[in-house]
Amino acid sequence: LAKTTQPISMDSYEGQEVNITCSHNNIATNDYITWYQQFPSQGPRFIIQGYKTKVTNEVASLFIPADRKSSTLSLPRVSLSDTAVYYCLVGGLTGGGNKLTFGTGTQLKVEL
Amino acid sequence: ETGVTQSPTHLIKTRGQQVTLRCSSQSGHNTVSWYQQALGQGPQFIFQYYREEENGRGNFPPRFSGLQFPNYSSELNVNALELDDSALYLCASSSGTAGYTFGSGTRLTVV
Repeated sequence: LAKTTQPISMDSYEGQEVNITCSHNNIATNDYITWYQQFPSQGPRFIIQGYKTKVTNEVASLFIPADRKSSTLSLPRVSLSDTAVYYCLVGGLTGGGNKLTFGTGTQLKVEL
Repeated sequence: ETGVTQSPTHLIKTRGQQVTLRCSSQSGHNTVSWYQQALGQGPQFIFQYYREEENGRGNFPPRFSGLQFPNYSSELNVNALELDDSALYLCASSSGTAGYTFGSGTRLTVV
C-alpha cells in the first residue's frame, strides 16, 4: 500500500483558504486518493475522492497533478468548525475488500 | 437512511476480561470493517467482513475476533484485555461501490 506523508499540523484563521498537501510517491496505477475529516471522539467522515486532475464538491476541492505523486486538499473560507484532523489515504477504490490505511493526519486549527 | 451506530459509547473493563462491541451498519451496506484508534494516532485496520465472512485482517492478534450477522450488523470481541487495548474502536460500513461510513466509536478503557 502506498504510504502518505502530510504535515502534522496547520493553523489558519476564519475566512481563509486552507491547502493541505499530501505526498504519495509510490502511488499505484489503480490507486485513488481519498481525504477524511475527523473530530475528537467521532469517526472519520469522507470528504472527497479523486484519481487525477481536479475534483470539487460542496465542501472541498482536490487537486492532483499529472504525476499523481502528491495531492492537495483545498478548503475554501474555513470556519472554526473546520478545526479537525484531516487524513489523506491512497489505495483501491473505496468499497468492499479494501482496507483503509490511515497515517497520523494533519491537525488543522482554525482561529478567529 | 440511518448511519452506522455503535454500542456502547463508553466502556470500562479490567485487564484480563473479555469485551464485545456492537455495530449496526448503514442500510444497504454489506461490508463492515473495524478499526482501533489510540490517542493521537490514526485508525488502524483490525479486520473486515463481507457477507458474514472475514475477507481481510490487519496486524492484530487472534484474541481480536469478530462476527457479521445476516442483517450485516457486526460484533468485535476482544479476549484477555490488556492495558494497551484502551482505545477508540470504530466500525465502518460500505456498500462496495462507495466510500466507507464510520460510526462514532466505542471508547474502551482497560484498567
